[in-house]
Amino acid sequence: GAVVSQHPSWVICKSGTSVKIECRSLDFQATTMFWYRQFPKQSLMLMATSNEGSKATYEQGVEKDKFLINHASLTLSTLTVTSAHPEDSSFYICSARASGRNNEQFFGPGTRLTVL
Amino acid sequence: GDSVTQMEGPVTLSEEAFLTINCTYTATGYPSLFWYVQYPGEGLQLLLKATKADDKGSNKGFEATYRKETTSFHLEKGSVQVSDSAVYFCALLYYGQNFVFGPGTRLSVLP
Repeated sequence: GAVVSQHPSWVICKSGTSVKIECRSLDFQATTMFWYRQFPKQSLMLMATSNEGSKATYEQGVEKDKFLINHASLTLSTLTVTSAHPEDSSFYICSARASGRNNEQFFGPGTRLTVL
Repeated sequence: GDSVTQMEGPVTLSEEAFLTINCTYTATGYPSLFWYVQYPGEGLQLLLKATKADDKGSNKGFEATYRKETTSFHLEKGSVQVSDSAVYFCALLYYGQNFVFGPGTRLSVLP
């Protein structure tokens, strides 16, 4: 089956530092990847859509300078939380749309970010 | 716009009880419908899906039928286990577009 991995699975950082989260499609190519944020006991909120080789499309209310997304290859997208603050603490989940598999989307296991 | 509504949780059941989690949707077209499950501390796993009206998705004893006339996709299982304790998300998806997720329903199964 199609597997999407995220690294790291959890990270703790100090306020003001930047954190990079990787999302990889392990056995398929993904022209499009999605980044979601999930607050405790809530649903997933789409943050942005990234297409390989082009700029990400951010949802309304998501700061593009705060959450930098890079989709440099067909199997890797990264989300960098810049100058993180405690309110950025959350569970970040990526998904990848598989090219040629009926455009199915597969979700990563998530990354828990805690900003002290 | 399109939306997904789920029954409010948490839902607490005893082991071997019958489970129903209601899901209704509002859509302008004919999306595919999904149920995802999220175990504590993990990401989303696809549980089942249905791509057109009257399709029934099934997996691991769970079932859901795409009902266009009632715009519903209720999740059912005949006999739940403690290991089914998780949060369940109903979602719709149009081909090539983004998921619309419901708010999630937390299920707790007691031994």
